Amino acid sequence: DAGVIQSPRHEVTEMGQEVTLRCKPISGHDYLFWYRQTMMRGLELLIYFNNNVPIDDSGMPEDRFSAKMPNASFSTLKIQPSEPRDSAVYFCASSGIQGRRTEAFFGQGTRLTVV
Amino acid sequence: AQSVTQPDIHITVSEGASLELRCNYSYGATPYLFWYVQSPGQGLQLLLKYFSGDTLVQGIKGFEAEFKRSQSSFNLRKPSVHWSDAAEYFCAAASNAGNMLTFGGGTRLMVKP
Repeated sequence: DAGVIQSPRHEVTEMGQEVTLRCKPISGHDYLFWYRQTMMRGLELLIYFNNNVPIDDSGMPEDRFSAKMPNASFSTLKIQPSEPRDSAVYFCASSGIQGRRTEAFFGQGTRLTVV
Repeated sequence: AQSVTQPDIHITVSEGASLELRCNYSYGATPYLFWYVQSPGQGLQLLLKYFSGDTLVQGIKGFEAEFKRSQSSFNLRKPSVHWSDAAEYFCAAASNAGNMLTFGGGTRLMVKP
């Protein structure tokens, strides 16, 4: 398996624009997580899914953020409208095989810059 | 509230010296524990994990960690540091009830030649 794949690796956008980040988890994993990393706040969990169902979105900062997982092999994190304070590295991770706990495997991240 | 604390923000060691990075957790029950490493511009790579059993766990790249329930700690060690170990290290924990990770603030390791 190629691991968790995120795209794009880098995104620069203007304030007010819509941004969509994409993630392909490791095949067979039950859980998918979206994290955000900033200098000020470190690594924060935004939302996670179990078997494509959102379980906990309490980390999503505002209604401008939304996430979907339409199938087991794809998830998106959308910010609309984007603001400069959304600039961060966004990581996707996946874990768990058929209910058995495993460690989380992380993608390379998407570095988002909102100007 | 569940939390993970890494007391040291920065650590500098000489190449060849030993290393210990500290991690403390606060959970209602013993959590699952992990150490990840992040090189600049990269994602997080798992070094080692503790789920149960032997409290001394071995990981990749010559790292090990010891779980001490009495101290709520899971410190990472390496007997001889290499220049390529310079990176940021994150301790993380997950409860029995859920799979989501809570991360410590990270420790940035610098290695002097």
